[in-house]
Amino acid sequence: AAGVIQSPRHLIKEKRETATLKCYPIPRHDTVYWYQQGPGQDPQFLISFYEKMQSDKGSIPDRFSAQQFSDYHSELNMSSLELGDSALYFCASSSPAVFGPGTRLTVL
Amino acid sequence: GQQLNQSPQSMFIQEGEDVSMNCTSSSIFNTWLWYKQDPGEGPVLLIALYKAGELTSNGRLTAQFGITRKDSFLNISASIPSDVGIYFCAGLHTTSGTYKYIFGTGTRLKVLA
Repeated sequence: AAGVIQSPRHLIKEKRETATLKCYPIPRHDTVYWYQQGPGQDPQFLISFYEKMQSDKGSIPDRFSAQQFSDYHSELNMSSLELGDSALYFCASSSPAVFGPGTRLTVL
Repeated sequence: GQQLNQSPQSMFIQEGEDVSMNCTSSSIFNTWLWYKQDPGEGPVLLIALYKAGELTSNGRLTAQFGITRKDSFLNISASIPSDVGIYFCAGLHTTSGTYKYIFGTGTRLKVLA
């Protein structure tokens, strides 16, 4: 069965750089969720999209933005990266939420 | 905001033992999910619960959705070494047509062979 695809799986950036994370949900799933998981932490909800419209927003910094495209894939754009942005970033598609393998972002 | 508290935070058990963990919330959720996460990997869905009082099994795993819809438990029978990992509960919060999953604090399970 098709799963959620995330790319890249690993990303290393310098402070103040920009990063773009991509998520390809399960075919015909219309909702995408983004989560951030710091070391030893539980996943924290960032933002969600339903039918290409923002559905809900959590603790997402203003430096981050996201969108869902016509093919339902989603991108999380992160600017002015800070050391504290280093984390695992997961997207999930509904329903119930099936998670992708994650993108490990390291900010140096 | 909503918070899901899991207990215990961590547990060490012997292979073959049964495991029980639970998740409580101050808020009502319409759906409860249980996930297992291995280090560096995404959470993998184990069981989904949709109705208050619902009891669902998936192999050696059994989970129940509390009657009040504010709690859930997960049982693992006859644990094996590959059961090691972090187990998260998650509640689906819906407000005005928006949906998000709130995660519990996690239970770290270690199985001793």
